[in-house]
Amino acid sequence: DQQVKQNSPSLSVQEGRISILNCDYTNSMFDYFLWYKKYPAEGPTFLISISSIKDKNEDGRFTVFLNKSAKHLSLHIVPSQPGDSAVYFCAAPNPSNNNDMRFGAGTRLTVKP
Amino acid sequence: ETGVTQSPTHLIKTRGQQVTLRCSSQSGHNTVSWYQQALGQGPQFIFQYYREEENGRGNFPPRFSGLQFPNYSSELNVNALELDDSALYLCASSASTGGAYNEQFFGPGTRLTVL
Repeated sequence: DQQVKQNSPSLSVQEGRISILNCDYTNSMFDYFLWYKKYPAEGPTFLISISSIKDKNEDGRFTVFLNKSAKHLSLHIVPSQPGDSAVYFCAAPNPSNNNDMRFGAGTRLTVKP
Repeated sequence: ETGVTQSPTHLIKTRGQQVTLRCSSQSGHNTVSWYQQALGQGPQFIFQYYREEENGRGNFPPRFSGLQFPNYSSELNVNALELDDSALYLCASSASTGGAYNEQFFGPGTRLTVL
C-alpha cells in the first residue's frame, strides 16, 4: 500500500479554466508532500511542494492546498494551458524510511484549446 | 549540465533471465534512487545508493540488487525475471542523502517487458 491515492485517473478541462487535481493519503505521519509532472517519454519533474505546517503554497499558476484533518491535498492550476497536459503525481516521503518516496497512481490532465 | 540518463530505452527479456539497467546521475549528484512503475500505477521505491553503498530499500525481494560506481552512476540488476517485473524503471539522482525531501531529478526510464 503506497498510502497515497489519486482516485481520478483522468481529467479534461478547457484552456483558461481551472484544473483541480486531488490526492488523499492514509498515513497521518506524512509531513511533506510533492507534486510531480510527467510528459510522455520523460521522467517526472518536480512541480511544487508543501510542508505539513502550511495549508497552502503558491508558485505562479500552481497552488497546492493541504487539509490535514481530511488527509487531502489538491493542486490547482489557473489558468490551465495546453502545455499543462501531462500526468500529475502526488507524492510524500515515507516517515519510516525517508529515502522511500510514496507516489499516487497519477492523474492524466488534458487541457483542450 | 547533463541531466539524468538511462539505458537502454527499451528491453525485452524472457522469464527467468537476468537484466541490468544503467543510470548516469546528474552532474554533481552523489545519490541515486531506483523506482519501478507498473502500468497504471505510480513509481514504487526499490532502493537508494549513496556514495556506493545501499542507503535504504523498499519492499522488493533480494533478486533486485544494485551498484553505484565512483562516478556515481548506478546499475539495477534483476535476477530470475518474472512476468510482473514488466514495468518502467526510473532512476532519480539528488545532491545529497536528505532522503526524498531532497529534490530528485528523474531520468526518462527503461521500459522492461518480460515475456
